Amino acid sequence: GENVEQHPSTLSVQEGDSAVIKCTYSDSASNYFPWYKQELGKRPQLIIDIRSNVGEKKDQRIAVTLNKTAKHFSLHITETQPEDSAVYFCARGDYKLSFGAGTTVTVRA
Amino acid sequence: KAGVTQTPRYLIKTRGQQVTLSCSPISGHRSVSWYQQTPGQGLQFLFEYFSETQRNKGNFPGRFSGRQFSNSRSEMNVSTLELGDSALYLCASSVGDRELNEQFFGPGTRLTVL
Repeated sequence: GENVEQHPSTLSVQEGDSAVIKCTYSDSASNYFPWYKQELGKRPQLIIDIRSNVGEKKDQRIAVTLNKTAKHFSLHITETQPEDSAVYFCARGDYKLSFGAGTTVTVRA
Repeated sequence: KAGVTQTPRYLIKTRGQQVTLSCSPISGHRSVSWYQQTPGQGLQFLFEYFSETQRNKGNFPGRFSGRQFSNSRSEMNVSTLELGDSALYLCASSVGDRELNEQFFGPGTRLTVL
């Protein structure tokens, strides 16, 4: 019930294109869905989060959508730039966080 | 505000030894969570401490333990080290309200078990 499935595991996009990462979960009690970005050799940092009472949230080039009925949520990055290259982790939580395995995003210049 | 700090940053131990890692949260944060990060496994939740009490626990064996002090600093201990314990150990602090909020990660301690 705690597992979070994250796809794809790797993603290569041309600079300027969009990137989409999808996560699915099974625990209905989940009410908090953050996304973390981890650059090589650095600590994970929150880039955006959403709570279960909201379906979509945007912050500049980043957006997250949540479908509680289908139990999946997605990260959308538009107009990708080389500095978007990193590992992205989704997570779900009720009283603690469970993370997906991560997606390595490479933005080709 | 100073960020989350962890000491030491790197550690090399041999099988059978024990190790203690330390985490100092952001000032005012009362919750400290610990994670193990290995390639391909993502971040695995170890446990969370709040007000000196373990509030949540992951699925790790009893060799992994922790504690929290009155100033919210936390330590994690691993006894009888195994090769598979080699990993990056991250701690994260948060305000600690009942509702989950942003967790701020430390730089991690890289543990190598030989």
